Amino acid sequence: AQRVTQPEKLLSVFKGAPVELKCNYSYSGSPELFWYVQYSRQRLQLLLRHISRESIKGFTADLNKGETSFHLKKPFAQEEDSAMYYCALGLHSGGSNYKLTFGKGTLLTVNP
Amino acid sequence: GAVVSQHPSRVICKSGTSVKIECRSLDFQATTMFWYRQFPKKSLMLMATSNEGSKATYEQGVEKDKFLINHASLTLSTLTVTSAHPEDSSFYICSAREGKGLVTGELFFGEGSRLTVL
Repeated sequence: AQRVTQPEKLLSVFKGAPVELKCNYSYSGSPELFWYVQYSRQRLQLLLRHISRESIKGFTADLNKGETSFHLKKPFAQEEDSAMYYCALGLHSGGSNYKLTFGKGTLLTVNP
Repeated sequence: GAVVSQHPSRVICKSGTSVKIECRSLDFQATTMFWYRQFPKKSLMLMATSNEGSKATYEQGVEKDKFLINHASLTLSTLTVTSAHPEDSSFYICSAREGKGLVTGELFFGEGSRLTVL
């Protein structure tokens, strides 16, 4: 069965410091991986997806199939990055069936 | 981006009653909608996946008779918590997927519904 693991529940860094939020997955096929973010009092929203290979708000994430990881990184954290971050694995399973499984989330706090 | 709206945002009910939560995609057709439960420590648990016009697929451990899901149209899915008990108190979040088949569509999330069962 597919699984997404985010080993850190809490992560605290100072403004300007690099940040890395870890995500590991278990899935035997070709995964679709995403990072979603939830800012305080806001709904969940997509931050980035691995197929896009893009940088959003300074964040990047590289899919490493050998290590089954999709860590989220930013070289210089900002206070407004403080939020809950969820790694998610998307799976197609027959026809139009699609399922998105989330990790437990990492609460990032960027201190001034 | 696309908008998903949930209603009500907060509901308080007595133990034993049933509560319905609606999830609507406002400006796109959602072939698939998902219902999640967010626990106090913020972890998200997928409860079920509903495809328009067919029965919902429930995750292991989720009682389908207790959490009734209906996806009658491409823009509306409902979650009914039947005979609610205090342990059902939680934050329920729906999301809708734009896109069909093997096309990877972004999921858009509703604002969530806080259920409190007294």
